[in-house]
Amino acid sequence: GAVVSQHPSRVICKSGTSVKIECRSLDFQATTMFWYRQFPKQSLMLMATSNEGSKATYEQGVEKDKFLINHASLTLSTLTVTSAHPEDSSFYICSARPGYAASYEQYFGPGTRLTVT
Amino acid sequence: DQQVKQNSPSLSVQEGRISILNCDYTNSMFDYFLWYKKYPAEGPTFLISISSIKDKNEDGRFTVFLNKSAKHLSLHIVPSQPGDSAVYFCAASGSYNFNKFYFGSGTKLNVKP
Repeated sequence: GAVVSQHPSRVICKSGTSVKIECRSLDFQATTMFWYRQFPKQSLMLMATSNEGSKATYEQGVEKDKFLINHASLTLSTLTVTSAHPEDSSFYICSARPGYAASYEQYFGPGTRLTVT
Repeated sequence: DQQVKQNSPSLSVQEGRISILNCDYTNSMFDYFLWYKKYPAEGPTFLISISSIKDKNEDGRFTVFLNKSAKHLSLHIVPSQPGDSAVYFCAASGSYNFNKFYFGSGTKLNVKP
């Protein structure tokens, strides 16, 4: 149980275009979902926290107009990288917290490798 | 500002021996610590956690030790198995904001048969 999927697993896009990444909780309802970014050989950095039906809370330094997050249902959150640039190339991982879960529980998706050319 | 650090990017251990992975943190407000295991092309999976009210938590072959005065935690795997080969991340959080996890950069463990 507690499976989280991400789609796509890899995406290559041209500079200036937008790309959408989906995060789904497959067997539970996620009241809270999280988006992380990981640079090579570095730690996962929290970008934003989203609660179903409300606006995401972004971490300091993360541009909310560039990284659009939508958590429209209890099983789906999307991250849209708008007007992508090569410096946005990274590994993006989502996680989800079940509605029944203790405060610290998070289940992670497999990640999406974004390459902007 | 890296509040959680894993200073060893890699560790190689013989099968059957003990693996010790280390993690240091700087924020004294952290009161909950977790270890995650990550295989290639998969997301991190929860392994074991410890609250700051404890100094040790054990689950089968995995034991986490917490030294609050030194702001240091370690994960012991005994005995190590080849299937334990993965990247291990430590993470820390505080009850003031349990939504935010601070992750270390990971240690790649290789258990040799």
